[in-house]
Formats: sequence, C-alpha cells, structure tokens
Amino acid sequence: ELKVEQNPLFLSMQEGKNYTIYCNYSTTSDRLYWYRQDPGKSLESLFVLLSNGAVKQEGRLMASLDTKARLSTLHITAAVHDLSATYFCAVVTGKLIFGQGTTLQVKP
Amino acid sequence: DAGVIQSPRHEVTEMGQEVTLRCKPISGHDYLFWYRQTMMRGLELLIYFNNNVPIDDSGMPEDRFSAKMPNASFSTLKIQPSEPRDSAVYFCASSGANTIYFGEGSWLTVV
Repeated sequence: ELKVEQNPLFLSMQEGKNYTIYCNYSTTSDRLYWYRQDPGKSLESLFVLLSNGAVKQEGRLMASLDTKARLSTLHITAAVHDLSATYFCAVVTGKLIFGQGTTLQVKP
Repeated sequence: DAGVIQSPRHEVTEMGQEVTLRCKPISGHDYLFWYRQTMMRGLELLIYFNNNVPIDDSGMPEDRFSAKMPNASFSTLKIQPSEPRDSAVYFCASSGANTIYFGEGSWLTVV
C-alpha cells in the first residue's frame, strides 16, 4: 500500500527565513503534486512534477523530485506571511494519495 | 471553464437522514475522485472513476456510502443513513492529462 509521509507536520518560521518541507513515498510513482490549502478553503494546485530531477519554481516556492530516492522537497525562500497555509504533497499510482500536510505559520 | 462544481456547499442534517452530494467535473476530464477531509484522518480517498467506471472503492468506509457516475458530467456520493462521525468536508476532484483540480467542497455536519 502506498504511503506518503511529510515532515515536518508543523512549521513556524520567521519572515525572511528559508526552509524545506519533505515528502517521502513508499512505491514507484510517475507523478507528484504539491497543493496549498488555506483554512476553510479548497486545495489549490501548486506544482506537478513528472520526472526524476524535475524542478519547478513559482515565486518563493521551489519543488523538486527525486524518483530514485522517492523524495520530493518544497523549498521556501525568504518566507512572507502570505505563505502561511497547509501544504500537501500527493503521489499518483493509479489513485492520488495525499501526505498528512504541513502547516506553515510565518511570523512577522 | 467553471472548474469542478460541487453542491451543496454546506449541509446540516440529522442522524439517520440520507445525504446526497453532487459533483460536476471539468468537461473533458476522464478521472473523478471523491475525498473526505477531517482533522483526525486528513485527506482520505473514498473512490475514483475513470471514464465513468468505478476503479477503486476501497476507501469507502462502509456500506452506508455509495457513489455513482451515470455520465461524464455528473457524479453523486450518497450516505444512507448518515451518522455524526460522517461530519467532514467532502471534496470532488477531476483530472485530465496531468492536471487535477478540486471543487470547493461540501461541508457536511450530521447532528
């Protein structure tokens, strides 16, 4: 059974700092997604990573995928308060399975 | 495109009542997913369809839950009878190529 694990599950950081969220998964997959969810809202697609070594960047967020290590990272550069949200990774093996989510709190 | 459309957005119902949640996927998408989200269990995949055919319903918690997709533009998730532990947000998502989009969710409270 596919397992997707994120860490940390909660992250409190100061504005301007950098940090990385990790997503490990247990079986081979050809696609990995990152989503953002604000409280009381739906899930917003951030990145789709399709191949080993894929790297995508949008603003202060950069995602990468290492299929051999079964690991994806979401790197936050110079965090700002607007990035406060819960971030999910999700892996496709036929079905789309989500990690537990990482709640990010950026403090001024 | 209007995106994935779910209804109702909010529902409060009494225990034992039947609840029907509806989803209209994005036109042209061939996969449809139903998820349930709670604080305790996170995002759980309940069932997914490919070209209107149920592929995996192993996440459906028990026989009280059923889902149908009679055509490419409509799906329902039904709970009968409902129980307080079914209170959650239910998301529908549809997928085409490499994109997966979520609806706004149906917030269900069973009292």
